[in-house]
Amino acid sequence: GDSVTQMEGPVTLSEEAFLTINCTYTATGYPSLFWYVQYPGEGLQLLLKATKADDKGSNKGFEATYRKETTSFHLEKGSVQVSDSAVYFCALVGDYGGSQGNLIFGKGTKLSVKP
Amino acid sequence: EAQVTQNPRYLITVTGKKLTVTCSQNMNHEYMSWYRQDPGLGLRQIYYSMNVEVTDKGDVPEGYKVSRKEKRNFPLILESPSPNQTSLYFCASSPIRGNTEAFFGQGTRLTVV
Repeated sequence: GDSVTQMEGPVTLSEEAFLTINCTYTATGYPSLFWYVQYPGEGLQLLLKATKADDKGSNKGFEATYRKETTSFHLEKGSVQVSDSAVYFCALVGDYGGSQGNLIFGKGTKLSVKP
Repeated sequence: EAQVTQNPRYLITVTGKKLTVTCSQNMNHEYMSWYRQDPGLGLRQIYYSMNVEVTDKGDVPEGYKVSRKEKRNFPLILESPSPNQTSLYFCASSPIRGNTEAFFGQGTRLTVV
């Protein structure tokens, strides 16, 4: 079935450092890809998304490009802030099979940014 | 304000005592779902509903029930809770099933002793 694999955390960075969180997926067909963020004590909220190959999603300085050839959707930010400390989830919505239309999440990567 | 509201936020209960976690959305969304979040496992879908009176199992439905009698409400029922259902639960809604943004509630932390 469809699945998402993202890098294990936790990730600890200093303020203004460059961030990459790797995400790869397995899916039949052409899934849509998402990054959700969970701030402490809150629910998840959509950070960015991409619905077709080579699309780049971006929001709040974060970017991710849908790479079908490498089945990847890595999250990047050029200069992180303390306020970016959160758990980041990569997710997909497949278009085939039993998971069609349902969100499938990776395990999450906890990011801590130190001043 | 558009939101998904879950209640309660925190709950400690004993094994076998039936409980209900409520979920309500004010965005007229057709699609609603429940997830549980556990350390090292991420979010796993319990049940989902594509519309009123239409529900289906997700990846981990055992020990849970749901109902969708009204569009805005999607309660999660644990008929006989057990300690392995201790978890953080999230309700989510979206306009339709598929590649649209999902809106999440703030979560319910359940402890079963």
